[in-house]
Formats: sequence, C-alpha cells, structure tokens
Amino acid sequence: QKEVEQDPGPLSVPEGAIVSLNCTYSNSAFQYFMWYRQYSRKGPELLMYTYSSGNKEDGRFTAQVDKSSKYISLFIRDSQPSDSATYLCAMSKSYSSASKIIFGSGTRLSIRP
Amino acid sequence: EADIYQTPRYLVIGTGKKITLECSQTMGHDKMYWYQQDPGMELHLIHYSYGVNSTEKGDLSSESTVSRIRTEHFPLTLESARPSHTSQYLCASSEPGTGEETQYFGPGTRLLVL
Repeated sequence: QKEVEQDPGPLSVPEGAIVSLNCTYSNSAFQYFMWYRQYSRKGPELLMYTYSSGNKEDGRFTAQVDKSSKYISLFIRDSQPSDSATYLCAMSKSYSSASKIIFGSGTRLSIRP
Repeated sequence: EADIYQTPRYLVIGTGKKITLECSQTMGHDKMYWYQQDPGMELHLIHYSYGVNSTEKGDLSSESTVSRIRTEHFPLTLESARPSHTSQYLCASSEPGTGEETQYFGPGTRLLVL
C-alpha cells in the first residue's frame, strides 16, 4: 500500500468553478503537508505548505489538513485556464534535514474556458 | 522564479552508453536532490546531497551515481544506460535552514534509452 494516495484524474471543470483536490495518507507521523503544481514539461513548483491540522489560505488557494482523518485538500476558487496542470500533494514527518518528502502521484486538472 | 537548470532537456540514447545529466543552481543552496518521475507516478528520490562531498542514496534503488564537488553543481551519471532507465529525471534544491519543504525544481530531463 502506498503511503500517499491521490486520485490521478483527469479532472475537468469549467472556468470559474471551485476545484477540490485531495490526498489521503496512512502514516500518522506526517506533520508537514505541501501542494506542488506541475505544468506540462516543467518541474513541480511549490504552491502551499502547512503544518499539522488546519487551513491556510493564499489568494485563490486554500490548503486544508485533517490529521484525524489523514486527509488533505487543496481548494482553488474562481478557477482559471492557467490553473490547468498536474497537482502533487507531498508530506514529510518533520522539519529536520533528515526527513524525506513523500509525493503523491498527482491529479491532472483541466479548466475549460 | 527558481534559478535551477538542467541539461539536456531531452536525450535519446542507445543501450550501453554512458550519460551524465547536468544540474546546477545559482541560489547557494546546500541541499540538492535527484528524483525520478514516470508518467502518472509519484516522484521517487534517488539521490540527495546536503553539501559539498556529501551524497546519499534515496529511497528508490538506482544504478546511477552522483557527485557534489561544487555547491552549485550536482551531476547524475549512468555508466551504462538501459531501456529501464527511460524516465524523467528532476533535480531540486532547497533553502538552507528550511528542511525539505521549500524545494525548488529544475525543468527536468526526459531520457529515452533505446
């Protein structure tokens, strides 16, 4: 069983819709949670990271962590065609340099104009 | 925007050839990483370095080797390429003192071994 599960999609929504992307994980030791965005033929870029449970908002993006359910989400409001990309969740056990990041396999998102 | 570069971007090569994938960053980051990414699959860490002359193998077994002679440079070498090495290779670096979270990725090298 993978430590991090992510629905690969593809997910297609109309422009302006609210998008919800999700990951589940099995290891309760994870404390740092990240979302990366990867455009086609590019490397991933960090969108947001959060520590432990709770919400974090940055513009149109909101990251949510529910450690009790081992479930994290990324919400995109007022989605734009430029949001079309693959979104990778990632998590690590600690902030120390010894901790490794575990990535999900990514969800392909397409925003229809 | 992150200043991390990878060359070549695309490489098609025959079985048995030796290849070196280049990665360099101009941000002064001590920590650098190599990941392997297949379509629709998660990134797998294959090598990492926390500074000059420091290299470690990652979680995914790899026949590649790395070196870190200079802070800004972290090349990956395959002594004898095989079709099973066909993949995308991503290099990343992270800010000093911030752990693993803020990793900056290069654009990747797509390798095809015939």
